[in-house]
Amino acid sequence: EPEVTQTPSHQVTQMGQEVILRCVPISNHLYFYWYRQILGQKVEFLVSFYNNEISEKSEIFDDQFSVERPDGSNFTLKIRSTKLEDSAMYFCASSEAGRVYGYTFGSGTRLTVV
Amino acid sequence: GQQLNQSPQSMFIQEGEDVSMNCTSSSIFNTWLWYKQDPGEGPVLLIALYKAGELTSNGRLTAQFGITRKDSFLNISASIPSDVGIYFCAGPSLEGAQKLVFGQGTRLTINP
Repeated sequence: EPEVTQTPSHQVTQMGQEVILRCVPISNHLYFYWYRQILGQKVEFLVSFYNNEISEKSEIFDDQFSVERPDGSNFTLKIRSTKLEDSAMYFCASSEAGRVYGYTFGSGTRLTVV
Repeated sequence: GQQLNQSPQSMFIQEGEDVSMNCTSSSIFNTWLWYKQDPGEGPVLLIALYKAGELTSNGRLTAQFGITRKDSFLNISASIPSDVGIYFCAGPSLEGAQKLVFGQGTRLTINP
């Protein structure tokens, strides 16, 4: 079964550093997403991306965040100048046609900011 | 904004017991989704519901889309150890059709 692959599985970074979280969506999917889950809390939408541009973003997705599809396979989330409160699981997801029930989530990257 | 409230927050049951959990909202949803999250993994879709009143099964799992479109329940029959995990309800946000809103989850623990 096709999978969404995320790397690394766990990243520890110092406060103020930049991190890039990487995702390889399912190959025929056209819509890409990032979600965040702070430990013990619910999963929260960050951003959706289609046709090489952001289609929706939440209030969480401020200027310290950016997304990019640098090539035909990768989808990245960059967090500039990380803060302690950025510590969370970050999930990438993709869907073929943008319908919410068609999401496939990756296994996540656990980001720890120290 | 839209919120989904799940109850109970956690459940501790014996293997073989049936489980029931539900999800309510103050606003109408046109699609209800139930996900399961295993430790260290991403959410995996269990059941999707598209019409008010719809009752859908997936093996030992059964979910229903409430008539008012403001609630849904998930039942698990004859629980087994691999049912352990966190169950989330979710639905599309009114603010954007591609954006999912999640409940806070129900954590299921099973005593063998």
